[in-house]
Amino acid sequence: EAGVAQSPRYKIIEKRQSVAFWCNPISGHATLYWYQQILGQGPKLLIQFQNNGVVDDSQLPKDRFSAERLKGVDSTLKIQPAKLEDSAVYLCASSPTLSSGANVLTFGAGSRLTVL
Amino acid sequence: AQSVAQPEDQVNVAEGNPLTVKCTYSVSGNPYLFWYVQYPNRGLQFLLKYITGDNLVKGSYGFEAEFNKSQTSFHLKKPSALVSDSALYFCAVRDRNSGNTPLVFGKGTRLSVIA
Repeated sequence: EAGVAQSPRYKIIEKRQSVAFWCNPISGHATLYWYQQILGQGPKLLIQFQNNGVVDDSQLPKDRFSAERLKGVDSTLKIQPAKLEDSAVYLCASSPTLSSGANVLTFGAGSRLTVL
Repeated sequence: AQSVAQPEDQVNVAEGNPLTVKCTYSVSGNPYLFWYVQYPNRGLQFLLKYITGDNLVKGSYGFEAEFNKSQTSFHLKKPSALVSDSALYFCAVRDRNSGNTPLVFGKGTRLSVIA
């Protein structure tokens, strides 16, 4: 079974520039998550999709962050304009469905963003 | 609101010795509890989870964890540590009765196993 694919693995940008991250979840997984992991902290949920609908985006800074999952498969997370504090690893994860809270999340390798 | 505390930033243990990585949680109802491990430049990998039933849960790579409801703890343990166990370990919780609330992670504990 192929894992969760993310790209790019590394990105360095200047503040106020924009960046986009892409995620392709495990085939058949209905639920997709974007987490932000700042150095020294645990992952924090940014947004959660069930198929192509948003379930939870309460912690997404909507003035600069956006995400979409138009066809219910792959997803894109965008930051525009970036700030220094956005430097972090952006983790994509997927799980089969939201119907069970016991579902295991499978994570991608992450996209490391450095904002200068 | 649900939360997880991992009181130790770093745990050092000699190879062959038992290891424990501590985790306490807070939820309004009953919890689902998870442990994930993160190796350098890799995503988080699932180790084990507690859903219900036996309080001692066995997982990957010889790890186990004990659910203690009275102490609201879910400590990760291994009888004999390996150098290859050195990594960052995350505890996570979800309230069983709260619908679609997200999985909440602790800040992580770095385990260093010394040969």
